[in-house]
Amino acid sequence: EAQVTQNPRYLITVTGKKLTVTCSQNMNHEYMSWYRQDPGLGLRQIYYSMNVEVTDKGDVPEGYKVSRKEKRNFPLILESPSPNQTSLYFCASTGSGTTNEKLFFGSGTQLSVL
Amino acid sequence: TQLLEQSPQFLSIQEGENLTVYCNSSSVFSSLQWYRQEPGEGPVLLVTVVTGGEVKKLKRLTFQFGDARKDSSLHITAAQPGDTGLYLCAGVNDYKLSFGAGTTVTVRA
Repeated sequence: EAQVTQNPRYLITVTGKKLTVTCSQNMNHEYMSWYRQDPGLGLRQIYYSMNVEVTDKGDVPEGYKVSRKEKRNFPLILESPSPNQTSLYFCASTGSGTTNEKLFFGSGTQLSVL
Repeated sequence: TQLLEQSPQFLSIQEGENLTVYCNSSSVFSSLQWYRQEPGEGPVLLVTVVTGGEVKKLKRLTFQFGDARKDSSLHITAAQPGDTGLYLCAGVNDYKLSFGAGTTVTVRA
């Protein structure tokens, strides 16, 4: 089954403790992206990657890192999480990221930073 | 400030009624997408509109892209409880999607 898999689904952590949210897709997609969703703000793009070893900042990249060493994986790293990074995070992928491509989303990771 | 403004923010209607959700921007997009999101899940693409003035119909859902490619609307005819969800519009330019804040639609049986 074609899918985007995120782990974990729920994560509670404390300020400053490094964490990684994993994202994997099995569709051989070139384009992958991370979003955060906050009430009243919709989805905002954090980082995206157009291919292996190619990443770029989205609208809200501060406090986040990503890597794209393999085509299927695109982990999101929070080196020193802070409470304002408490949010619902989504990973998404698509074939090439151009205009008409369908974006496939994972089921989300609810992160709480205390 | 949202690049895309959706209205209304919340909409609660009775089964069988019609509804319209609006998505407006001052920016021009190469295309616009509509997604539906259910609690605990990621958004799922409903449609992509590409041409200014384009109208697409999917069963009871009608999507329209404005002539100037800055705005769009989603109209649901004879809404059903299964239409309940968060509807998101997203403007597309190159590799960038900009999402609206969403419209929460509740259809009461």
